[in-house]
Amino acid sequence: EVHLVESGGGLVQPGGSLRLSCSASGFTFSDHEMNWVRQAPGKGLEWVSYISSVDGTTYYADSVEGRFTISRDNAKNSLSLQMNSLRVEDTAVYYCVRVDIVKGWDYWGQGTLVSVSS
Amino acid sequence: DIQMTQSPSSLSASVGDRVTFTCRASENIRSFLNWFQQKPGKAPELLIYSASKLQNGVPSRFSGSGSGTDFTLTISSLQPEDFATYYCQQNYITPLTFGGGTKVEI
Repeated sequence: EVHLVESGGGLVQPGGSLRLSCSASGFTFSDHEMNWVRQAPGKGLEWVSYISSVDGTTYYADSVEGRFTISRDNAKNSLSLQMNSLRVEDTAVYYCVRVDIVKGWDYWGQGTLVSVSS
Repeated sequence: DIQMTQSPSSLSASVGDRVTFTCRASENIRSFLNWFQQKPGKAPELLIYSASKLQNGVPSRFSGSGSGTDFTLTISSLQPEDFATYYCQQNYITPLTFGGGTKVEI
């Protein structure tokens, strides 16, 4: 069974940093592209970042470009999101999402809450 | 960026009703369109991919249609567990964008 478990969320001051992790199990992690998606409290869904399965190609939303870095360790079945220069508007639940080559975004983690506040 | 517009933003319906909501893309996205269901406090779940294909395990009362810029999600007979928020999303080109959601209420 596919499992995605995010961790690393918490309370951080504006300008601070946080590193999120997503631990994957139940499938061949290296075969799948991955995404981070976030949802601010009471708001809709916002795509944050993408990483390819093999060559490490990455893409970012304009709102996080230059501040966030997505990475993966296929040997450890792990996805990460390094978040620097955090802003109040980055406050959200962050989800990692698996991409299936046929079915697209088929599995989501349970999310981890990031709160940016002074 | 491709804008995804969902309508209505909310609707009230009863168990057994047939409900349809729409999603419009600002540009042609062919069939690169997903529909997700989200219940309060839970992660979204994939219902429909490639505009019209039902994800494994999703009840057949859900169906999707459309291509290009106009898409619809239909629930043929609303069940109590279907009261949730529904999001469309284009995965044609980055930035990958979501619609604002349609909340289905009793």
